[in-house]
Amino acid sequence: DTGVSQNPRHKITKRGQNVTFRCDPISEHNRLYWYRQTLGQGPEFLTYFQNEAQLEKSRLLSDRFSAERPKGSFSTLEIQRTEQGDSAMYLCASSGRTGLAGGGPTDTQYFGPGTRLTVL
Amino acid sequence: QKEVEQDPGPLSVPEGAIVSLNCTYSNSAFQYFMWYRQYSRKGPELLMYTYSSGNKEDGRFTAQVDKSSKYISLFIRDSQPSDSATYLCAMSAHTGGFKTIFGAGTRLFVKA
Repeated sequence: DTGVSQNPRHKITKRGQNVTFRCDPISEHNRLYWYRQTLGQGPEFLTYFQNEAQLEKSRLLSDRFSAERPKGSFSTLEIQRTEQGDSAMYLCASSGRTGLAGGGPTDTQYFGPGTRLTVL
Repeated sequence: QKEVEQDPGPLSVPEGAIVSLNCTYSNSAFQYFMWYRQYSRKGPELLMYTYSSGNKEDGRFTAQVDKSSKYISLFIRDSQPSDSATYLCAMSAHTGGFKTIFGAGTRLFVKA
């Protein structure tokens, strides 16, 4: 499998609970991104890693959100004390110097299928 | 005003029609322009990218960038029902990708 994978695909939780999502990027990619997408909108950037370093964070990423990429491979996104407004699709993308055959610029992002979060 | 504006549609066309999808933008620093296709409940998949101005063709798809007008387009020839999806334009000033800004997406329906 050469694509980006995300788990779980769906998560339903009650308000106030913590949730954690996982992203496994394309293996040779050194950059990893998290986005949030709500209905009828395009993906909104949350945060970005180059290898294990978190280099950029959006102001959308409140202190209830934390992301890690401890070994520069997979990444996790945790949301603490979830709120109903956190309900969205959480997308992960990766990019790197060796893009997929036929792909775009060296840093074109390739997306995973997303994790759909519903907060009741 | 959003940095990237895209008409959300929906756009409904008969099979075989030529489809034109467009985005406008305000940031003159954008140099990398991309089109993604997103099926319902799936992640976006890259269709085409263009660097700076000009045209690029790939099969039934043609991407155009007019930096002077801050306007980009995606044309789909001989549209098929399988083209029914949401089309997202995206653009960035940096090769690093982390400043990629997406449009809201245009929902396209191609009727058989």
